[in-house]
Amino acid sequence: SQTIHQWPATLVQPVGSPLSLECTVEGTSNPNLYWYRQAAGRGLQLLFYSVGIGQISSEVPQNLSASRPQDRQFILSSKKLLLSDSGFYLCACRGPGNTIYFGEGSWLTVV
Amino acid sequence: AQSVTQLDSQVPVFEEAPVELRCNYSSSVSVYLFWYVQYPNQGLQLLLKYLSGSTLVKGINGFEAEFNKSQTSFHLRKPSVHISDTAEYFCAVSETSYDKVIFGPGTSLSVIP
Repeated sequence: SQTIHQWPATLVQPVGSPLSLECTVEGTSNPNLYWYRQAAGRGLQLLFYSVGIGQISSEVPQNLSASRPQDRQFILSSKKLLLSDSGFYLCACRGPGNTIYFGEGSWLTVV
Repeated sequence: AQSVTQLDSQVPVFEEAPVELRCNYSSSVSVYLFWYVQYPNQGLQLLLKYLSGSTLVKGINGFEAEFNKSQTSFHLRKPSVHISDTAEYFCAVSETSYDKVIFGPGTSLSVIP
């Protein structure tokens, strides 16, 4: 089965600083990959998804970007963080049987 | 466009009572449907999924859900809940195998002793 590694687990960043959250997947090749943000009362908001290297679809116009430089690597970035970027970010992978597997998540606090 | 509605944001229920968590979706094509559970301070875990075939789907921990195409619903049920079922429950929909997966806002189930 798939294993998703996501880091860092916790991050406190000042407003205006850059961001890089990294996700790597083991146990599969050419997976569909996803970045979600979870906020209280709003469920999981899909931010980006990718069906292959260099292929990124953005769901919500915002201060974030995503890249997929390798088959099993998915990166979430920002050049200048806003207070509203604070939240819990989850990387996910679509595996056999269409099951979505999640990483452990990254808590981002922008101060 | 796909969307998922979970009508109840919070559901309190007494231990050993039955529970139903409602999920409705909007889509113009065939879909895959999922229920995930998130226990306090933990990640998301798949409860059950509907891909095709029988509309009644059984999952882990005694949960089941029924796909109703005419009503575009996928409600989750359990005949007798336990304290350990206290968690956040998310319904999700996907239109194709290679497409995005959209989650609902979640339902917080609280089991009262």
